[in-house]
Amino acid sequence: DARVTQTPRDKVTEMGQEVTMRCQPILGHNTVFWYRQTMMQGLELLAYFRNRAPLDDSGMPKDRFSAEMPDATLATLKIQPSEPRDSAVYFCASGLDDRAAGGNTIYFGEGSWLTVV
Amino acid sequence: AQTVTQSQPEMSVQEAETVTLSCTYDTSESDYYLFWYKQPPSRQMILVIRQEAYKQQNATENRFSVNFQKAAKSFSLKISDSQLGDAAMYFCAYRPYTSGTYKYIFGTGTRLKVLA
Repeated sequence: DARVTQTPRDKVTEMGQEVTMRCQPILGHNTVFWYRQTMMQGLELLAYFRNRAPLDDSGMPKDRFSAEMPDATLATLKIQPSEPRDSAVYFCASGLDDRAAGGNTIYFGEGSWLTVV
Repeated sequence: AQTVTQSQPEMSVQEAETVTLSCTYDTSESDYYLFWYKQPPSRQMILVIRQEAYKQQNATENRFSVNFQKAAKSFSLKISDSQLGDAAMYFCAYRPYTSGTYKYIFGTGTRLKVLA
């Protein structure tokens, strides 16, 4: 059963530390998304990629966040330095942008629950 | 701006009864996709059902069906024969089918409680 895999599932870190979250998209999918979920803001789109190229990261605080896709099987979201306000659940999702193939649905990983103290 | 609105923060339904969750969206596009996702306490986001705007027929998936009213920009989810396992947050999402645009926009969610 194909699924999006995210690590870590949960992480507690101290303010100022670097945090890296990893995502393995479903094999064959060509779009990858990073979302952040908080009670106050709901689901916010941070960044997304198509065919590994970053298309939009306007939702991401540029000074401390960075997102990359070093290869088709790995997407990373890095926060450096982390702050308490970054505490949230971070989701990775992937999809196949191909209408003819019945695509355009995105599938989510289980999320990474980050707590910055 | 394209927005998705879920006006019901919380809904309750008796087990085995039917409940309808509301969703409206704002767009000037004519071709797009609409989705309902379910998020149980495990926090996994699970696709419930999807609808393509160019299709007139309302989508159905077992006990889940939608009422898609394109002119009214409304996309409600009906859950029939509600089960305890249906208790979750439900999110409505929209994605325009426009070349170069891949953003999926989510509503704020509706928490569904199922009463035994």
